[in-house]
Amino acid sequence: NAGVMQNPRHLVRRRGQEARLRCSPMKGHSHVYWYRQLPEEGLKFMVYLQKENIIDESGMPKERFSAEFPKEGPSILRIQQVVRGDSAAYFCASSPRWAQETQYFGPGTRLLVL
Amino acid sequence: AQSVTQLGSHVSVSEGALVLLRCNYSSSVPPYLFWYVQYPNQGLQLLLKYTSAATLVKGINGFEAEFKKSETSFHLTKPSAHMSDAAEYFCAVSAGTGNQFYFGTGTSLTVIP
Repeated sequence: NAGVMQNPRHLVRRRGQEARLRCSPMKGHSHVYWYRQLPEEGLKFMVYLQKENIIDESGMPKERFSAEFPKEGPSILRIQQVVRGDSAAYFCASSPRWAQETQYFGPGTRLLVL
Repeated sequence: AQSVTQLGSHVSVSEGALVLLRCNYSSSVPPYLFWYVQYPNQGLQLLLKYTSAATLVKGINGFEAEFKKSETSFHLTKPSAHMSDAAEYFCAVSAGTGNQFYFGTGTSLTVIP
């Protein structure tokens, strides 16, 4: 059973460009979470999605950030007009049922904004 | 609201010595508690979790943690450190109807040969 997959593993963007981060949950998991880890810090929750629905986006910045989890295909975290402060590791996690269940993490996407 | 405090951002132990990583939580409802380990440039791997069953939880790689409600603590221990234990360790709490995990800021463990 493959784990949570994220791609790309590393992404370099110039200021003002768009970044698209992809996450494929574990097989059988219908709950996806995105977290951001800044250097020397813990993980901060961004958004929680189920298929075709955003359940909780309380941790998402109000502008430039969006997420989706379509019926078919991976979950996408999209950052428009990136700035240097967006440089971080972005982790996706999935769980089989409700949110308190164990969350299984992907390897992360490390975004560097030049 | 839930939160996690990890005391000691850096801990160093000698190989073979006891490992103790501290975690205190705040939760207004019975919590679920987790310890994850992160190796450099990798994702988080679950070490163990507490979900209101036995208060002493055994995890992988010889780690265990004890849930102490009176102290609101969930400290992680291992009797004998191994070089391969050097990593970043994160404590997390999830509770109630919340949809997210709240993570501590992490403890970096160094094992000295």
